[in-house]
Amino acid sequence: GAGVSQSPSNKVTEKGKDVELRCDPISGHTALYWYRQRLGQGLEFLIYFQGNSAPDKSGLPSDRFSAERTGESVSTLTIQRTQQEDSAVYLCASSLASSGRYNEQFFGPGTRLTVL
Amino acid sequence: TQLLEQSPQFLSIQEGENLTVYCNSSSVFSSLQWYRQEPGEGPVLLVTVVTGGEVKKLKRLTFQFGDARKDSSLHITAAQPGDTGLYLCAGAGAGSYQLTFGKGTKLSVIP
Repeated sequence: GAGVSQSPSNKVTEKGKDVELRCDPISGHTALYWYRQRLGQGLEFLIYFQGNSAPDKSGLPSDRFSAERTGESVSTLTIQRTQQEDSAVYLCASSLASSGRYNEQFFGPGTRLTVL
Repeated sequence: TQLLEQSPQFLSIQEGENLTVYCNSSSVFSSLQWYRQEPGEGPVLLVTVVTGGEVKKLKRLTFQFGDARKDSSLHITAAQPGDTGLYLCAGAGAGSYQLTFGKGTKLSVIP
């Protein structure tokens, strides 16, 4: 079975441009998460999707960031008017369960975004 | 806000040595997970501990969850170059889907 996949693996863009990052979760996983990992830092929660419930957007750093998910499948993270501080690795994870104790998340390889 | 502090931040040791990585918080977690991340890849789950005082072993890796469920440790015996990577701990609050991640410990095992 395939794991979580993300595309592109690397993205270089110019300041001010919009970018779209894609995540394909493991089939059957109802929960999907986006994280940001800056160089030398831990993972910073961005957004969470669970089934058809309203997403938890509490981690999005600004209104330039948005994400969508179609049902329980593909998700896209969009960053508008990119800034240099947006440069980071963006990680997607999915899990079967959504609640705490056994929330074991499976991560994709990430998209490395570089804003020039 | 729940915070997890990991120490040390960096660790460079010779092959065959033992090491311990710590993950500490002032908050109580219902479970705690350890992940390893290699360059260019996403984190991979190593273990989940859920009971205070729990000890789990995975080959040469021993994981312990503190009695109060506020801290955890990872001990590696006879480290190998293949153990090199970023070790992340992540805690889940009761009934929460969010994981709080530490900043990680970057381990280098020199042959």
